[in-house]
Amino acid sequence: DAGITQSPRHKVTETGTPVTLRCHQTENHRYMYWYRQDPGHGLRLIHYSYGVKDTDKGEVSDGYSVSRSKTEDFLLTLESATSSQTSVYFCAAGEGNEQFFGPGTRLTVL
Amino acid sequence: GENVEQHPSTLSVQEGDSAVIKCTYSDSASNYFPWYKQELGKRPQLIIDIRSNVGEKKDQRIAVTLNKTAKHFSLHITETQPEDSAVYFCAAPPGGTSYGKLTFGQGTILTVHP
Repeated sequence: DAGITQSPRHKVTETGTPVTLRCHQTENHRYMYWYRQDPGHGLRLIHYSYGVKDTDKGEVSDGYSVSRSKTEDFLLTLESATSSQTSVYFCAAGEGNEQFFGPGTRLTVL
Repeated sequence: GENVEQHPSTLSVQEGDSAVIKCTYSDSASNYFPWYKQELGKRPQLIIDIRSNVGEKKDQRIAVTLNKTAKHFSLHITETQPEDSAVYFCAAPPGGTSYGKLTFGQGTILTVHP
């Protein structure tokens, strides 16, 4: 499983609350990614990181922010959760184009 | 940016038959084409990939072919087994990048009937 873990694995929260999801990797990969997966949309890139403190936006970044203060950790924050952010969130890490995925976090926003 | 189209969206085969899933991409400079398998409730797992300098790659019962001129690549699974049942995703990066800002296809639900 490429040494990638995510926490929490499940979360239920209320609209308007901030939420932070954590991705942790043990393989010292330079690149890390956050995706969301929704029926009919496949996997869509939210944000990615190409090094410590180096991040950039993906396809669906509105309402999300990220931080990477250490190589092994990549945090995704929903600043004020909305029902449209109910989804399964996957973290990935890798070198170059190759990516390996974490187990996912199922987030429900009520 | 890159646009990736995947077909079919669902595919049903009998055990032992072959299955083929096709993806087209828009950026002619794309140079890496992975395929992921995702079982129900699990993470996507990389099963095979191909780079633009080769036309075909095989790994046991799975193979990927690439047609750069037509900008499409395909996943071939031979002698399908029930455990091949899953959702399969193709992906491609925009050309010219050194890291994997992958754009994924919509996915194909493959069902292998015993």
